[in-house]
Amino acid sequence: NAGVTQTPKFRILKIGQSMTLQCTQDMNHNYMYWYRQDPGMGLKLIYYSVGAGITDKGEVPNGYNVSRSTTEDFPLRLELAAPSQTSVYFCASSYRDREYFGPGTRLTVT
Amino acid sequence: GQNIDQPTEMTATEGAIVQINCTYQTSGFNGLFWYQQHAGEAPTFLSYNVLDGLEEKGRFSSFLSRSKGYSYLLLKELQMKDSASYLCAVRDRWDSGGGADGLTFGKGTHLIIQP
Repeated sequence: NAGVTQTPKFRILKIGQSMTLQCTQDMNHNYMYWYRQDPGMGLKLIYYSVGAGITDKGEVPNGYNVSRSTTEDFPLRLELAAPSQTSVYFCASSYRDREYFGPGTRLTVT
Repeated sequence: GQNIDQPTEMTATEGAIVQINCTYQTSGFNGLFWYQQHAGEAPTFLSYNVLDGLEEKGRFSSFLSRSKGYSYLLLKELQMKDSASYLCAVRDRWDSGGGADGLTFGKGTHLIIQP
């Protein structure tokens, strides 16, 4: 199993541009999450999904959108990139007592 | 509201023992997690406590007291590779489907191991 994979690993965006961060898991987990991590800070939940077709907001959803058309994929969309969205983004999936994290996407908005 | 506190930074010596404390105040409680995160990498799972007491797993142990809103992670026989950030996280709601609405993380404790 590849586990949780994310693309791209790095990206630089200009203010106002849009992009999609991809996340895929091959463990058949229903639950998936997007977190962001700013320097020196803990992870904050952006959005989560409890299964295909079902998504819900986390603690910091503003400026982001998600979709969950399949169990495997959970992309995160930034429509109008802002400098405040410069961060490291982690996708995760979970089953019962633990979460499995992807390697992260490092995004810089300038 | 939800609040998780842990020290920002700790220093310890190779071969020694270190205890990293975590206190939490959350609206619900369905488990406390410890993750290890090396610089530039994703968090990796270390331990999970849902009942009071000590869980031991090799060199790492984790303790939970739900009545006190308190946990600690104990690392024994420290090695240089243990230099990392240690994240305390709480799951405050559980879904009958086997998952939940995510974790609330503390800011992490940066552990420095000296020779």
